[in-house]
Amino acid sequence: GDQVEQSPSALSLHEGTDSALRCNFTTTMRSVQWFRQNSRGSLISLFYLASGTKENGRLKSAFDSKERRYSTLHIRDAQLEDSGTYFCAAEGAGYQNFYFGKGTSLTVIP
Amino acid sequence: GALVYQYPRRTICKSGTSMRMECQAVGFQATSVAWYRQSPQKTFELIALSTVNSAIKYEQNFTQEKFPISHPNLSFSSMTVLNAYLEDRGLYLCGARSGNTGQLYFGEGSKLTVL
Repeated sequence: GDQVEQSPSALSLHEGTDSALRCNFTTTMRSVQWFRQNSRGSLISLFYLASGTKENGRLKSAFDSKERRYSTLHIRDAQLEDSGTYFCAAEGAGYQNFYFGKGTSLTVIP
Repeated sequence: GALVYQYPRRTICKSGTSMRMECQAVGFQATSVAWYRQSPQKTFELIALSTVNSAIKYEQNFTQEKFPISHPNLSFSSMTVLNAYLEDRGLYLCGARSGNTGQLYFGEGSKLTVL
């Protein structure tokens, strides 16, 4: 079964609003990485976390340091250019494989 | 900065023929390379994980006979899709992992269309 459950699958936000994406893991993960995929298919890395939180501008990500079973990506003051598909990828404790969630399609509306 | 170049960007091939794609890491040492396929529905499947000087580990439903991978050094990896059929279509992505930071860096992908 899927090791990474990402939600929501789709999200519409008005400009200027805030929201959060979440990835739950069926087992303890070693690290997590968040990406945005652009229209050309390129995966742009947003954050890589082995624990704790990271912030970059209007984006902030957290990785549950205690049980390592979920991660979140917060978007503050959403802008039109934030539209795209967001993926989380989590690294299992065993073979260093990164497993992807199914993505969140984000649309920011004027 | 760390970059991954992947080529070709897209290939159209006839059923039963093969496609080779290559991945070049620039600005960092790729101690491992993971090859993925993203379906037209956007779902990612891990094909295999290749670590330099270790055996390549293929995921269930993917085999070396169908997807042979070469990873000869810390900056280059290639994968071939042999005998491609309709179910093999998708966007193939290589994710090169930095031995220094642990972060995955992706190329722009190789889109395979099978006629």
